[in-house]
Amino acid sequence: QLQLQESGPGLVKPSETLSLTCTVSGGSISSSSYYWGWIRQPPGKGLEWIGSIYYSGSTYYNPSLKSRVTISVDTSKNQFSLKLSSVTAADTAVYYCARLVVVTGGLDYWGQGTLVTVSS
Amino acid sequence: QSALTQPASVSGSPGQSITISCTGTSSDVGGYNYVSWYQQHPGKAPKLMIYDVSNRPSGVSNRFSGSKSGNTASLTISGLQAEDEADYYCSSYTSSSTPLVFGGGTKLTVL
Repeated sequence: QLQLQESGPGLVKPSETLSLTCTVSGGSISSSSYYWGWIRQPPGKGLEWIGSIYYSGSTYYNPSLKSRVTISVDTSKNQFSLKLSSVTAADTAVYYCARLVVVTGGLDYWGQGTLVTVSS
Repeated sequence: QSALTQPASVSGSPGQSITISCTGTSSDVGGYNYVSWYQQHPGKAPKLMIYDVSNRPSGVSNRFSGSKSGNTASLTISGLQAEDEADYYCSSYTSSSTPLVFGGGTKLTVL
């Protein structure tokens, strides 16, 4: 059974960089059938797609976040990572990693999510 | 403002059927058969309920069904049960600069 697990600091100071890692177990991140993505959900609000990465390193980012986002992949560790720079309180959210089926974009496996709070 | 439009809330009594709509444009919902639906209980990660407009993943109850007409996709839940009370989100592939867009979410209340 595929499992995804987010890890990283739960508290980040304003103007600093948020860094999270998603570890994939029970399957290979190098499968040609899937992208790997990050989605966030501010408290009490809806889902926002942040971006996605293919095992080869190809990336797609939400244009509203593109200038601040970097997603990378480490196939040797079966992990992919998110960096979001210059954070503000508006970036406070539960961050999820998930697996995307190529082309359709269906997110069929999700991590449990991790709350990241931006505060001094 | 979300790219896809969903009603903020819907409600129904146990045993009844409800439908949640998801309206987009010809660049997303109307242009591709790549609409997905997710169920999210409080404090939990979303769960994929429908993909490619009308397909159910293994393990999802056949009480859940999806359809599409023009630029509007719909999720229908029949035989409502208390456990169906949750937030529901649609998503779609899009030809815009953002390959994946979500709806704003719909809160389902089982009366």
